Amino acid sequence: KAGVTQTPRYLIKTRGQQVTLSCSPISGHRSVSWYQQTPGQGLQFLFEYFSETQRNKGNFPGRFSGRQFSNSRSEMNVSTLELGDSALYLCASSPEQQSRTDTQYFGPGTRLTVL
Amino acid sequence: AQKVTQAQTEISVVEKEDVTLDCVYETRDTTYYLFWYKQPPSGELVFLIRRNSFDEQNEISGRYSWNFQKSTSSFNFTITASQVVDSAVYFCALSDVSSGSARQLTFGSGTQLTVLP
Repeated sequence: KAGVTQTPRYLIKTRGQQVTLSCSPISGHRSVSWYQQTPGQGLQFLFEYFSETQRNKGNFPGRFSGRQFSNSRSEMNVSTLELGDSALYLCASSPEQQSRTDTQYFGPGTRLTVL
Repeated sequence: AQKVTQAQTEISVVEKEDVTLDCVYETRDTTYYLFWYKQPPSGELVFLIRRNSFDEQNEISGRYSWNFQKSTSSFNFTITASQVVDSAVYFCALSDVSSGSARQLTFGSGTQLTVLP
């Protein structure tokens, strides 16, 4: 089975621009979560989607948004980019077989650099 | 609120040495899950193990072993006979009911393990 895929792998943007990152979960997985990893803050939860609905959201400003499509693929969008948004963005999928026992499997991440 | 502490920022060992990575967690829930992930330089987080709060049995998988102790809120990870390929950042993580979702992981700050040949 193919793993979680994320595109693009690398991205360079300038302040004020917006960006869209894409994530394709493992086949059959219905839940997709997003995390931000920075040297200063570490790994932080952004949001989780299931059945095209945002089910949970972390403590990030409204500039960070996401969505999930009917095939479980997900996108996240960051508007009005700031220098501090430079990070590795990781997507994870889980099967949603039992809500309390799911393990999340991560993709390779998208490294975003904001200049 | 939940919290995961990995006090060891960096560890360096010589190949074939045993090494233990420490993880201490905080949660008010009685039902929770603990995880270890490995992050090689490529960036992808590789799942190693999941443990639920009701199962305190230690686990061994090849050269890897995990020691879960609820009395001390610790979930330590030992690599026996370390190899250069074990060099990576290792993260301990927690998910519980109070976080709102079993899929919202709270991560520790990670331990950079370097295994020297």
